[in-house]
Amino acid sequence: GQNIDQPTEMTATEGAIVQINCTYQTSGFNGLFWYQQHAGEAPTFLSYNVLDGLEEKGRFSSFLSRSKGYSYLLLKELQMKDSASYLCAVYYNTDKLIFGTGTRLQVFP
Amino acid sequence: EAQVTQNPRYLITVTGKKLTVTCSQNMNHEYMSWYRQDPGLGLRQIYYSMNVEVTDKGDVPEGYKVSRKEKRNFPLILESPSPNQTSLYFCASSAWTADGEKLFFGSGTQLSVL
Repeated sequence: GQNIDQPTEMTATEGAIVQINCTYQTSGFNGLFWYQQHAGEAPTFLSYNVLDGLEEKGRFSSFLSRSKGYSYLLLKELQMKDSASYLCAVYYNTDKLIFGTGTRLQVFP
Repeated sequence: EAQVTQNPRYLITVTGKKLTVTCSQNMNHEYMSWYRQDPGLGLRQIYYSMNVEVTDKGDVPEGYKVSRKEKRNFPLILESPSPNQTSLYFCASSAWTADGEKLFFGSGTQLSVL
């Protein structure tokens, strides 16, 4: 079956760097998403990786290794507003999408 | 403004009373989908549609129906709701952008079935 694993919860301090890992096992692979979701709100797009390597976008970067079925989201210079859930999702078999259960990140002053 | 509009935002109903949650997008996207989100289980896909009159089951389709008669609308129908369908529902549409494939989500519908 298809599966995505990511840590349930993480904590970090304002101004620090945090890395949220995601491992996946899917039959086929078309791309990997990271979404941010604040409590009670809709997910918002952060990144989409198709090829191996690191993609940087401001304070957020996302890495993908297809051979290892592994990705991470790196958040730098953490701010209080970064407290949210971070969802890893894999697009596979052309038209299927599976989400992980999300990592709840709490940023403390 | 480009958006996915989902209604209602909150809905309380009773077991067996048919209901429809509407979803509309103004971005001319071909792909639309429905998800439910439950604590500890994450977002699970209910149904998706690749284009008008083309729909397919996701991971948890039981108890739900959808239709795609026009490109912009993708309603979710619960013919006979049951308490285990109490959940937070999201509609989404997607398209290729400069950032790659991107999903645009509606604001969600919190459904309670008593």
